[in-house]
Amino acid sequence: TQTVSQSDAHVTVFEGDSVELRCNYSYGGSIYLSWYIQHHGRGLQFLLKYYSGNPVVQGVNGFEAEFSKSDSSFHLRKASVHWSDSAVYFCAASRPPNTGKLTFGDGTVLTVKP
Amino acid sequence: NSKVIQTPRYLVKGQGQKAKMRCIPEKGHPVVFWYQQNKNNEFKFLINFQNQEVLQQIDMTEKRFSAECPSNSPCSLEIQSSEAGDSALYLCASSLSGQGYEQYFGPGTRLTVL
Repeated sequence: TQTVSQSDAHVTVFEGDSVELRCNYSYGGSIYLSWYIQHHGRGLQFLLKYYSGNPVVQGVNGFEAEFSKSDSSFHLRKASVHWSDSAVYFCAASRPPNTGKLTFGDGTVLTVKP
Repeated sequence: NSKVIQTPRYLVKGQGQKAKMRCIPEKGHPVVFWYQQNKNNEFKFLINFQNQEVLQQIDMTEKRFSAECPSNSPCSLEIQSSEAGDSALYLCASSLSGQGYEQYFGPGTRLTVL
């Protein structure tokens, strides 16, 4: 069974700080990994994805993530957060050759204080 | 920003009642997904379609849940006999393809079963 785990349920930082949100997966084969953001009361918004190639991928709004096969990780980072980045962040995985259904982690609530 | 439309935004039903929600995917997206997100932020994949054909679905969908994506009409997800445990946010997402492409989510339909 493929699982995605996000070890931090809550992360609190100040505006302008850097942040890293952690994601680990438990599957040894090919895998698609992505991050989504969910603001309160809204649907999920795609941030970035990785399948192959450069392990560091750039996403929207200054986010980037780095894939590590050795650590089975796909951590999300941002160099300088803004208060509007406060939201719930979900790591998701999809394992080919399935039909694209996503398996989500439990989410990390990011709170950015002014 | 996603252009997936979901209606209604809120749905309140009594136990045993039918609950039906609709989704209009982004224009040009042939693949549609339905997920259930509970109050603990746990996601459950329900079913996905490519055009009008079911790609994959879980057992729950095969029993009390029914879904379709007719040509030139909104996709729909219907619970034949609602149970308290069905109370959740139902998210519809669309994509250019099943595997490897980002999914664009609607705002969701929040179902409350009394």
